[in-house]
Amino acid sequence: ILNVEQSPQSLHVQEGDSTNFTCSFPSSNFYALHWYRWETAKSPEALFVMTLNGDEKKKGRISATLNTKEGYSYLYIKGSQPEDSATYLCAFPSGSARQLTFGSGTQLTVLP
Amino acid sequence: GAGVSQSPSNKVTEKGKDVELRCDPISGHTALYWYRQRLGQGLEFLIYFQGNSAPDKSGLPSDRFSAERTGESVSTLTIQRTQQEDSAVYLCASSPGTSSTYEQYFGPGTRLTVT
Repeated sequence: ILNVEQSPQSLHVQEGDSTNFTCSFPSSNFYALHWYRWETAKSPEALFVMTLNGDEKKKGRISATLNTKEGYSYLYIKGSQPEDSATYLCAFPSGSARQLTFGSGTQLTVLP
Repeated sequence: GAGVSQSPSNKVTEKGKDVELRCDPISGHTALYWYRQRLGQGLEFLIYFQGNSAPDKSGLPSDRFSAERTGESVSTLTIQRTQQEDSAVYLCASSPGTSSTYEQYFGPGTRLTVT
């Protein structure tokens, strides 16, 4: 059974704070690491797909890094805004269907 | 273009009834996945369709669950004799099927409540 673990489980920050979360995943049979942002009652939104060791990707105030050798990825949010409040999920394709195995998510609340 | 759509968005049903959930994937996407998230748990894989191949049903939790897909279009997930533990958000995702990174595009989900 493959485990994808995320920490922390939840996080409350003040508007303007920078924050980061961790995703750890199996380092063997690596295809890609996906980050999603999921707001209640909406579709999970793809943020990044990371494939190469040492990858760094950026989208506005959000960035992510990848270490495939040790099996972890960090997601950073700079200058958090209330609209960043959501659950952030990482996922790892595995299995015969290459279905995504998800972590339990980090629930971020940004207080105004 | 249009994304993945699901219907209904919410469904409340009595224990023991059957329910049918619908997913319309992105046009041209050959792969389709169903997942669910029960309260306090992570997203879990249920079933996978790829083109006209036999579906991968390895994630279905019991024989009360079944799913169909006609070609590369609409899919329906059916739950027979619903139980309270079936209460969850059911998500559908589609994929081009050719991506080496297995990117998936999700619908907004159906929130199922079994009373």
